[in-house]
Parts: sequence; C-alpha cells; structure tokens
Amino acid sequence: EAEVAQSPRYKITEKSQAVAFWCDPISGHATLYWYRQILGQGPELLVQFQDESVVDDSQLPKDRFSAERLKGVDSTLKIQPAELGDSAMYLCASSLLRGNSPLHFGNGTRLTVT
Amino acid sequence: DAKTTQPPSMDCAEGRAANLPCNHSTISGNEYVYWYRQIHSQGPQYIIHGLKNNETNEMASLIITEDRKSSTLILPHATLRDTAVYYCIVRESYNNNDMRFGAGTRLTVKP
Repeated sequence: EAEVAQSPRYKITEKSQAVAFWCDPISGHATLYWYRQILGQGPELLVQFQDESVVDDSQLPKDRFSAERLKGVDSTLKIQPAELGDSAMYLCASSLLRGNSPLHFGNGTRLTVT
Repeated sequence: DAKTTQPPSMDCAEGRAANLPCNHSTISGNEYVYWYRQIHSQGPQYIIHGLKNNETNEMASLIITEDRKSSTLILPHATLRDTAVYYCIVRESYNNNDMRFGAGTRLTVKP
C-alpha cells in the first residue's frame, strides 16, 4: 500500500536555528496538508496545498514558518528561527481531489527545540 | 472547535468487541463522519468513513444513527494492537477541507 513519506523522523535543534521537514505524498494525490501535533492533543492544520498552490495557510505563523510545494509533488516546511514552543510532531498528509477522499498521513517528524 | 464529542478514555477486553461512541449533533446534510486512530509515535491512520448508511471494511464497522447525530465505531474482535487514540471527525463532502481533530478517545485493550 502506498504511503506518505516524511523525513527526518526525529530532529533536535537549538532555539534560533533553522529547521526543515520534507514530505513526499502518495502518487497522484493533488492535495497536501501539513499538521502540527502537540503532545496530548489532536493534530492541527498549518497549511494546505492543492497542486502547487496554497489553499489555506491561515494557521501558519508566517513570521517564522514557510511551506512550499514547487512542482506540485513533494513539499518542504521550514521554521526559522525555531522557538522552544515549536517542539511538536509535524505531520504531512495527502488526499485525492475528490471531496470525500480521506487524508492519508505520514508518520511525522518529531521536533525537539532545546 | 471540533464538531464531535467523544469520551476521553475506554477500556476493552482482548477478543471482545470495542464500541466507540461519537456525538455530532450539529452535523449538516453534506458532512461525512470519518474515523482515524493514532498509535503512539505514529501518524493518524484512516479507518473508515460514511455519510448516512452503515459501512464495514476489513478494519471496522461504522454505525450511524438515522438522525445522523451520533455514530459508533465497532472493532469486532479487539486485540492489544488496537490500543490507540481514536478520533471521530465530521467533514464537508464537497470540499477538500482539512480534518479537524478533537482530543479523541484513548482505547486501552487489556489482556
């Protein structure tokens, strides 16, 4: 079964440093989502792409977070500079363009900011 | 602002059916009910979804009440590997909106 690939699996960084996460969605999935999950809570959407265009980035802290999906396939989420409060799991998901298609999630990147 | 209400935790004996309830009293006609689960340190795993009819797949069954204000996810023969947080989500059908997760139900399957 096809899977959403994410790397790295774990990342430890010092505050004020830059960090980047990569996601490769399931082939053919036009829609890609980045979520953040704080320990003990459900995932929350950061940004949603349809092909290479941003559909929703209303919850993305744009002063320090950026996301791109240049060719409409894989995607990168960047944080610069990282803050202690950014410690969380960063999850990528993808789905087909059909309205009721479920999202399929990767196993995430666990970020620890020290 | 999740649109669903779930109990925070439940226990189930191994080999027995696990019935996980979800209330979604404000669901609208074009919203589907989705269920996901998340095992520790992994991403959420899609289980099943439905609009108004009951649905069954190899993982679980979804029972939606006639008024669609609540649903139950049934794991027919729970195993220790089914221990996870289970999320019930409602989502519009005509738009690729994101999934809005609540706190979910932590299911513990006990030997």
